[in-house]
Amino acid sequence: DGGITQSPKYLFRKEGQNVTLSCEQNLNHDAMYWYRQDPGQGLRLIYYSQIVNDFQKGDIAEGYSVSREKKESFPLTVTSAQKNPTAFYLCASSIPPGMGNQPQHFGDGTRLSIL
Amino acid sequence: AQSVTQPDIHITVSEGASLELRCNYSYGATPYLFWYVQSPGQGLQLLLKYFSGDTLVQGIKGFEAEFKRSQSSFNLRKPSVHWSDAAEYFCAVGAGNQAGTALIFGKGTTLSVSS
Repeated sequence: DGGITQSPKYLFRKEGQNVTLSCEQNLNHDAMYWYRQDPGQGLRLIYYSQIVNDFQKGDIAEGYSVSREKKESFPLTVTSAQKNPTAFYLCASSIPPGMGNQPQHFGDGTRLSIL
Repeated sequence: AQSVTQPDIHITVSEGASLELRCNYSYGATPYLFWYVQSPGQGLQLLLKYFSGDTLVQGIKGFEAEFKRSQSSFNLRKPSVHWSDAAEYFCAVGAGNQAGTALIFGKGTTLSVSS
């Protein structure tokens, strides 16, 4: 079955350390997204990519970086510059908005905590 | 700018009773509207979507939603709630074919079901 796989499910980061969250999809979707979810805050967009080798900042990109070298993969790096990284991170994919607004499909998330 | 408001942070409903979750949006053109559900520690699952046409849309798990342009609302309903419906529900709006768009999410409504 097609879907989105996020790994690991739980991740711990030490102070000053960069960590990378994995997101892989086999839905043949061009667009991919990263959201951060905090209690009572809903989902906030970190980065998105509509095509390979291209991505744009979302509303809260500071302290994060991404790459999009392959259509299937959109890893998110939480850098040491992100001072409050503890959150639930969700990856999603869709057909690009330019082809009609299609719903986004979500992975099961990665919970990041600070040691 | 587009925005989504879910006025109710937390709702408790008795099992078997009817449910209505409110969603108001702000968007200048015809919106693309979605309802998602999230179980604890999981990703988001699409319940239903509205793009155009019939303003009453049917979704999975017995849910339906009605688009009311005059009220800028897209409320989610279910005639008889089951204990398994306890979860967090998110309303989202898509901005059509504008470049650089992703879904805008409300902050969510947590549904508790009492026996």
